[in-house]
Amino acid sequence: GAVVSQHPSWVICKSGTSVKIECRSLDFQATTMFWYRQFPKQSLMLMATSNEGSKATYEQGVEKDKFLINHASLTLSTLTVTSAHPEDSSFYICSANRDVYNEQFFGPGTRLTVL
Amino acid sequence: AQTVTQSQPEMSVQEAETVTLSCTYDTSENNYYLFWYKQPPSRQMILVIRQEAYKQQNATENRFSVNFQKAAKSFSLKISDSQLGDTAMYFCAFMKGGSEKLVFGKGTKLTVNP
Repeated sequence: GAVVSQHPSWVICKSGTSVKIECRSLDFQATTMFWYRQFPKQSLMLMATSNEGSKATYEQGVEKDKFLINHASLTLSTLTVTSAHPEDSSFYICSANRDVYNEQFFGPGTRLTVL
Repeated sequence: AQTVTQSQPEMSVQEAETVTLSCTYDTSENNYYLFWYKQPPSRQMILVIRQEAYKQQNATENRFSVNFQKAAKSFSLKISDSQLGDTAMYFCAFMKGGSEKLVFGKGTKLTVNP
């Protein structure tokens, strides 16, 4: 149990376009999901906390208008990178808390390349 | 704010031997959780082991065990009988009680040599 999926696993897009990444908890409900960004050979940087039915909470320095987060249901959160630029190229990882156990489970990540 | 420090950027160990990865943290909280996550080359984050701060007993999961020293704010991971599949980045993480946010260390790259 406790599986989190992400789609797509990789995406290449042109500069100026928008890209949507989906994060799903497959076998449990998650009122809270998290979005991270990871640069090569670095740790995970928390971007925002996604709350079902309410607005996301963004970490300091993360542009809300560039990284749109929607947590439409207890099993789905989406991250939309708007007007993507090459500097947005990165590995994006989502996670979800299985509340009862206070454990966080991670999706397999999405590699975004902006040309 | 809480911080997590992993002072060993890289480590290597021979297959079947034992290795210990270090982690220290800084917090004024009394209720918290500590975790070790593994990130293999596939980049899938995998929970290795967790420790509740209120528990004195060190957590163990098969070949993985921790040495939790609350007063010293130290949380090291011991991997026994190392296997080639243990090759990965290992991240130490902290979660304050009542919060769901994880604070990660910078990671230790572990290589298991045949």
